[in-house]
Amino acid sequence: ETGVTQTPRHLVMGMTNKKSLKCEQHLGHNAMYWYKQSAKKPLELMFVYSLEERVENNSVPSRFSPECPNSSHLFLHLHTLQPEDSALYLCASSQAGRKAKNIQYFGAGTRLSVL
Amino acid sequence: RKEVEQDPGPFNVPEGATVAFNCTYSNSASQSFFWYRQDCRKEPKLLMSVYSSGNEDGRFTAQLNRASQYISLLIRDSKLSDSATYLCVVNIAHDMRFGAGTRLTVKP
Repeated sequence: ETGVTQTPRHLVMGMTNKKSLKCEQHLGHNAMYWYKQSAKKPLELMFVYSLEERVENNSVPSRFSPECPNSSHLFLHLHTLQPEDSALYLCASSQAGRKAKNIQYFGAGTRLSVL
Repeated sequence: RKEVEQDPGPFNVPEGATVAFNCTYSNSASQSFFWYRQDCRKEPKLLMSVYSSGNEDGRFTAQLNRASQYISLLIRDSKLSDSATYLCVVNIAHDMRFGAGTRLTVKP
C-alpha cells in the first residue's frame, strides 16, 4: 500500500452521466495530482493542487473538473465525457517545496470506460 | 521533440542478463530525476531517484549526465520479477514529465 487510495477502481459510464472519482492520501503530503494514462501513451498530467490551491491545468477539457477540499482529499468530477476519455486515471501525492524532490506516490487508479 | 524520450523496447532478456535503459530529456531546467516501475495494470511505483554522482541500489544502478541531458538505468543479474515497464521521469517544480516507458520481459 502506498498510502494513496482511489475509488472506485473501475467505472463504466455513459456520455450523459455525471460521476466523480475520489482520492485520499494518508501520507501527510501537501500536493496532489491527477494523471491520465491511455494505452501506449505516457502519463499525462491533468491537474496539480499544492496547499489546496490549483497550480496547473494543462489545458484539460472542462468536462473534467477537479476539487480539493483539503490536503488529504482530491476529487475529479466527470460530466458528458467522450469515448476517447476512456483511460486509467491516476491520483498521486507528494511533499512539494523548494528543497523537496517531489517524489510522487500513486494510487491504484480508476479504470474508466465511457460508452 | 518529446520532453522525455526512452528506448522504444521491448526488451526480452534471459534470467541473469544485464540490461540497460536510456532516457533523454529536453528541458535543461529539470531539477530532479527518477526511474519508476509499472507492472501490468498497476500504478507506477518509485524504483529509485537519480543523482548526478550516480547511485546504486542492489542490482540497479542509475546515472545522470546533466550536460548531455541523459539518464540511464542498468539492471544486473535480471530476475523474472524484474519484468515490468520502466518509466523515466523528470521533474521541474510541480511538473513531472514521464517517458512513454520501456517494457522489459525477463524469461527463464
